[in-house]
Amino acid sequence: GEDVEQSLFLSVREGDSSVINCTYTDSSSTYLYWYKQEPGAGLQLLTYIFSNMDMKQDQRLTVLLNKKDKHLSLRIADTQTGDSAIYFCAESNNQGGKLIFGQGTELSVKP
Amino acid sequence: EAQVTQNPRYLITVTGKKLTVTCSQNMNHEYMSWYRQDPGLGLRQIYYSMNVEVTDKGDVPEGYKVSRKEKRNFPLILESPSPNQTSLYFCASSLGGPWLNTEAFFGQGTRLTVV
Repeated sequence: GEDVEQSLFLSVREGDSSVINCTYTDSSSTYLYWYKQEPGAGLQLLTYIFSNMDMKQDQRLTVLLNKKDKHLSLRIADTQTGDSAIYFCAESNNQGGKLIFGQGTELSVKP
Repeated sequence: EAQVTQNPRYLITVTGKKLTVTCSQNMNHEYMSWYRQDPGLGLRQIYYSMNVEVTDKGDVPEGYKVSRKEKRNFPLILESPSPNQTSLYFCASSLGGPWLNTEAFFGQGTRLTVV
């Protein structure tokens, strides 16, 4: 079945760049998403990328997609303490109504 | 304000006592779904609904029921809760399904403890 994998923790210093990685197994993925979950809250969509793209930039966020290796990454430039949260990647395809999430990466930003 | 509202936010119950977690959205969204979030496992989909009276199983449907009698509401029912259903539950809605690249809006979550 479909599977999405992420490392569980990442710690960076304020002002550095953060790179959160994700791998997936479903070759028919249509869209890949990044969601952010702040403490005690639900998830909020950060950005997404269509499977025929290899890069998308949105202010401090850069999404890179390597479709051949089924690898997705989210780069946050100039990371701030307010970026501390859990980041989930998720994928969807045309074959059903599911959104498949990874385990989430907890980003800790130290001053 | 566009939102997805879940109730209750916190619930402690005993094994076997039926409970319902309500979910309501005010965005006229067609697609709604329920997830549970467990440490190290991320979010796993329990059930989803593409429209009124149309529901389907997600990855972990055992022990849960849902109904979609009207567009705005999608309650999650645990007929006989067990301790392994202790989890953080999220309801989400979107204009269309995930394959249409529509943003999913999430509720604040319901933390359920079954003792």
